[in-house]
Amino acid sequence: EDKVVQSPLSLVVHEGDTVTLNCSYEVTNFRSLLWYKQEKKAPTFLFMLTSSGIEKKSGRLSSILDKKELSSILNITATQTGDSAIYLCATTQGGSEKLVFGKGTKLTVNP
Amino acid sequence: DGGITQSPKYLFRKEGQNVTLSCEQNLNHDAMYWYRQDPGQGLRLIYYSQIVNDFQKGDIAEGYSVSREKKESFPLTVTSAQKNPTAFYLCASSTPGTRGGSEQYFGPGTRLTVT
Repeated sequence: EDKVVQSPLSLVVHEGDTVTLNCSYEVTNFRSLLWYKQEKKAPTFLFMLTSSGIEKKSGRLSSILDKKELSSILNITATQTGDSAIYLCATTQGGSEKLVFGKGTKLTVNP
Repeated sequence: DGGITQSPKYLFRKEGQNVTLSCEQNLNHDAMYWYRQDPGQGLRLIYYSQIVNDFQKGDIAEGYSVSREKKESFPLTVTSAQKNPTAFYLCASSTPGTRGGSEQYFGPGTRLTVT
């Protein structure tokens, strides 16, 4: 059975800290890995990773895929209270547009 | 403005009643999806449709039904056969990516409470 596992499930940090969220996957015919941020309602897209070792960056957020280890990390530097959200990891497989989601990591950034 | 709309935002129903959740998109996307989100469970796929007049079951389709008569619309019916219908329902759409898959765009969700 295809699965995506995220860790930790929840994390509480102080503003200014750097955090690393983890995502590992076991899926057949892996094609890509996506990160989403969900604050209150609709998840919003952050990154899509297809190639191993190439870092994607957007402001204080960055992510990288390791196909050998079947995993990805999402880094957030200099965290702010606005980073508080659930971060979702999902994978796609060849021949399908379906996403398989992990359970998410709930990040709380305290002032 | 392009996007996905879901209505209503909150929905309350009595047990034993069928209820239909609306999802409309004007992004001209071919594929549409319905997910259910429970606390601590992440998103689980109920049904998806890659083209008009065609749809497939996801991982938790029992007790749900869908239709895809128009490209823009993908309504979800929660039937009385669904044992635990109270949840947050998210609709999404995407267009096939040329490489590596494509991101899905999500609507704002409908929170359904059945008592």
